[in-house]
Amino acid sequence: DAGITQSPRHKVTETGTPVTLRCHQTENHRYMYWYRQDPGHGLRLIHYSYGVKDTDKGEVSDGYSVSRSKTEDFLLTLESATSSQTSVYFCASCPDTDTQYFGPGTRLTVL
Amino acid sequence: SQQGEEDPQALSIQEGENATMNCSYKTSINNLQWYRQNSGRGLVHLILIRSNEREKHSGRLRVTLDTSKKSSSLLITASRAADTASYFCATANTGGFKTIFGAGTRLFVKA
Repeated sequence: DAGITQSPRHKVTETGTPVTLRCHQTENHRYMYWYRQDPGHGLRLIHYSYGVKDTDKGEVSDGYSVSRSKTEDFLLTLESATSSQTSVYFCASCPDTDTQYFGPGTRLTVL
Repeated sequence: SQQGEEDPQALSIQEGENATMNCSYKTSINNLQWYRQNSGRGLVHLILIRSNEREKHSGRLRVTLDTSKKSSSLLITASRAADTASYFCATANTGGFKTIFGAGTRLFVKA
């Protein structure tokens, strides 16, 4: 987990509220990713970034947006949280398209 | 849908035994990676094998790749209780930035 942090680590929110999760890396990695992990589904890619201001959708992007204004920060926003977005969210960074380095995760509960 | 699918979903063995996990995927890949996740933690990269490689070793880990069958296996020799974790395969598609993870194999090593 060295070099990549996520905040907050835990969050409980109510349906309909906006939520922003932050991923910060100090490795100057070009690529960054947001995943969600749910029982029986492994990790599913939400959005990824291949450079500052360059982002693209993953396989489960509906209801999520991202922004990357600096190399070190990748923000994930739930514009209006729903109970189906209750999950554990992982961020990862990667210097190329090979090894990914993961953050410790954020446990989000939407009531 | 998931690119990689691990088999078995769960595996329980005695300390000292070997553990074998398999991964199948659907499309052409650039490389295949194996990750480990301890309970409540982020994923940790174990080993990467490229599409032009057939076998790779790292310590007690041995990975094979059969591109004709679109499958890979991870062998952990002389398992230890500390190897108890979930193991995921992940594939990076040719020419793409995305890495797709399978649902994982839960390994339990009994002391």
